[in-house]
Amino acid sequence: EVQLVESGGGLVQPGRSLRLSCAASGFVFDDHGMHWVRQAPGKGLEWVSGISWNSGSIAYAGSVKGRFTISRDNAKNSLFLQMNSLRAEDTAFYYCARDPTIAVAGSPDYWGQGTLVTVSS
Amino acid sequence: QSVLTQPPSVSAAPGQKVTISCSGSSSNIGNNYVSWYQQLPGTAPKLLIYDNNKRPSGIPDRFSGSKSGTSATLGITGLQTGDEADYYCGTWDSSLSAVIFGGGTKLTVL
Repeated sequence: EVQLVESGGGLVQPGRSLRLSCAASGFVFDDHGMHWVRQAPGKGLEWVSGISWNSGSIAYAGSVKGRFTISRDNAKNSLFLQMNSLRAEDTAFYYCARDPTIAVAGSPDYWGQGTLVTVSS
Repeated sequence: QSVLTQPPSVSAAPGQKVTISCSGSSSNIGNNYVSWYQQLPGTAPKLLIYDNNKRPSGIPDRFSGSKSGTSATLGITGLQTGDEADYYCGTWDSSLSAVIFGGGTKLTVL
């Protein structure tokens, strides 16, 4: 059974940093690209970033480019999102999601349960 | 404002059929596969349809997907109260080099 478990969310002040993690199990991690998708409370889905199986291809949404960094550790079946210079508008549930391919060119298939990031003073 | 356009809400009676549209452009729906997701209240999105019209195992055949040109449609037959949820379409946008989602459609089963 595919499982994606996010951690690292919490309350953080504007301008500070936070690092999210996603532990993957139930599938061959390095056979898949991975994504981060966020959802502000009561709002729709917003794709944040994606990374290919070998980290050779990485993409970011314009709203986070230059502030967020996605990475992965295939030896530890883990995905990360380093978030710097956080803003109030970054407040959202952050979901780790699997790409059905090795690349980052499709819609996710499996999703984690999400971790809440709240940016507030 | 989302790149993909969905109606904000749809409603129908139990047992009836409903369709949800998703409109895009040649850089997204027109040249890439479309997926559909169901998000029940307080839960994570769940894949309903992938590659325009395929259902993952475990998804009942009451759910169907289709694509024509730069638009896609999700169909749900035999509506049940448990189908009340938000539904999102998603695809890759080749110009943006990004995954994009529709704004979501809230389904109410009256």
